[in-house]
Amino acid sequence: NAGVMQNPRHLVRRRGQEARLRCSPMKGHSHVYWYRQLPEEGLKFMVYLQKENIIDESGMPKERFSAEFPKEGPSILRIQQVVRGDSAAYFCASSREGLQGLLSYEQYFGPGTRLTVT
Amino acid sequence: AQSVSQHNHHVILSEAASLELGCNYSYGGTVNLFWYVQYPGQHLQLLLKYFSGDPLVKGIKGFEAEFIKSKFSFNLRKPSVQWSDTAEYFCAVKKGSQGNLIFGKGTKLSVKP
Repeated sequence: NAGVMQNPRHLVRRRGQEARLRCSPMKGHSHVYWYRQLPEEGLKFMVYLQKENIIDESGMPKERFSAEFPKEGPSILRIQQVVRGDSAAYFCASSREGLQGLLSYEQYFGPGTRLTVT
Repeated sequence: AQSVSQHNHHVILSEAASLELGCNYSYGGTVNLFWYVQYPGQHLQLLLKYFSGDPLVKGIKGFEAEFIKSKFSFNLRKPSVQWSDTAEYFCAVKKGSQGNLIFGKGTKLSVKP
């Protein structure tokens, strides 16, 4: 039973380049969440998606960041024109659909992508 | 703003010592509560969770946590730690029907053999 998969595990980008982070949820999971972990900080929520829908993007920076979860394929977190402050670990999590839409199921996390901007 | 507070940044214990890590949250409505552990170089793993019912929750690897609603707390405990428990521990809260988790800043636990 494969867990949440993320790739790449490490990504180095120069300032101004684009970063694309991929996340494949656990089998049977239809909800995907992206979190960012800065040094000495806990995880901060960025965006919550279901297939073809963004449910909550309240944690996403307004510019340069976007996310999608297409009908087929992994979820993608895209960061355009990266800056040094984007260097962080980006974690994806997935969960099953909750009973009656209450979203009561726990989230399972992937290994993360460590983005370094030089 | 709603928040999750973990009181200890770094805890150092000897093997066989008892452990209690504090977690308080500031949200007053219905919550689901979680403790995750991150071993060095690994991803977050769920230790235990509270959704409803018995406020004393048992998790994996001998960990337990107690939900005290009146104190807005969900402290993690283990009677006797092992060297292999060295890791970072994160408390997380899910508010009501919202999907995302709100995490504390984490507590690093170092267990000396």
